[in-house]
Amino acid sequence: EDQVTQSPEALRLQEGESSSLNCSYTVSGLRGLFWYRQDPGKGPEFLFTLYSAGEEKEKERLKATLTKKESFLHITAPKPEDSATYLCAVREIQGAQKLVFGQGTRLTINP
Amino acid sequence: EPEVTQTPSHQVTQMGQEVILRCVPISNHLYFYWYRQILGQKVEFLVSFYNNEISEKSEIFDDQFSVERPDGSNFTLKIRSTKLEDSAMYFCASKQGVLYEQYFGPGTRLTVT
Repeated sequence: EDQVTQSPEALRLQEGESSSLNCSYTVSGLRGLFWYRQDPGKGPEFLFTLYSAGEEKEKERLKATLTKKESFLHITAPKPEDSATYLCAVREIQGAQKLVFGQGTRLTINP
Repeated sequence: EPEVTQTPSHQVTQMGQEVILRCVPISNHLYFYWYRQILGQKVEFLVSFYNNEISEKSEIFDDQFSVERPDGSNFTLKIRSTKLEDSAMYFCASKQGVLYEQYFGPGTRLTVT
């Protein structure tokens, strides 16, 4: 059973066209939800950590929000350089230190 | 800005051979990890390491795998007898403390032929 599910699998937007990526999770107790950006052939790059429902974090054109069942990554007026795969990962209370990743959303921003 | 480094960037090996993947975590970090990502699939946890011992490992991390922190800076993953299905990107990660985020290295692409 998947613990972290991301949607859509792929998203193509025009430059300046805002949208949201979804991360749904099912864990017994959340000890942190993490968003990473991954460029092709590279390692995940840390973006945000969210710990409790209602929490929001922002960085440039990105804003992450968290509810009890899902997280959203909102992208406002994206630019071509925002093109990447965005990964969501959770850390469970029972799961010690490991991160459990979703399959990612591949985002393409066309100029 | 401090970063996790990994060597080599690409390793090609024959089935049955031993490989060692090397990582230099961020210097003041205390928790160390290995993950892998098979092409087109999710990033998967392999093992976590703290205070010179394994703190958690996944089902993937069987007797063919081992980790070591031979000195104060390096963290290694050894695969004793590689299989075709070990072909993947291997990522090292580290973090400063229990509630901190993990920082990932650029990865080593392992190709087993």
